[in-house]
Amino acid sequence: AQKVTQAQTEISVVEKEDVTLDCVYETRDTTYYLFWYKQPPSGELVFLIRRNSFDEQNEISGRYSWNFQKSTSSFNFTITASQVVDSAVYFCALSEADSNYQLIWGAGTKLIIKP
Amino acid sequence: DSGVTQTPKHLITATGQRVTLRCSPRSGDLSVYWYQQSLDQGLQFLIQYYNGEERAKGNILERFSAQQFPDLHSELNLSSLELGDSALYFCASSVGGSDYNEQFFGPGTRLTVL
Repeated sequence: AQKVTQAQTEISVVEKEDVTLDCVYETRDTTYYLFWYKQPPSGELVFLIRRNSFDEQNEISGRYSWNFQKSTSSFNFTITASQVVDSAVYFCALSEADSNYQLIWGAGTKLIIKP
Repeated sequence: DSGVTQTPKHLITATGQRVTLRCSPRSGDLSVYWYQQSLDQGLQFLIQYYNGEERAKGNILERFSAQQFPDLHSELNLSSLELGDSALYFCASSVGGSDYNEQFFGPGTRLTVL
């Protein structure tokens, strides 16, 4: 079974729309970390956020926000008022003690923002 | 700019050949990770080094090997290359030895095996 599931392979929205990228994870550890990375067309992976399992507070950074819900094992990422520059592949990843804290990556969601 | 450098940016070679990819981590980072990203396999973790020693191994083929040198730069050696080895190879670095530290990625080396 996949430990990190990004069920949305590709999402396409028009600029200025809000969009949510889903991430569902699976772990038996009580201590774990969740990450989001962005891979724009240029190719380089960019770190966006890290969240540990003890901190369920939602995070907002400008137009980006993250909703961490342990009850549903989800760590969703919302972009508000999307812009063309947000077009990228977004990866969710899990780091857990059971896997020696090795990052377990989701398959990624390709986000296309149309002008 | 993440501060992680990788050379070369592009590499084109033939089947059966051997290549070396090079990575310099961010200043102060002790861990280096290598990843392979291909269209059909997604992002695959290959290997991690921490302060010169191998820390973790992922889906790395026996034809592939890596090392981290005393100045902390790392090299990934790919030998007996096959068409299927064509991919984007990323290096990442982090300050600590565990993956719960955020990793900073280099721009990648695009390898094409003809």
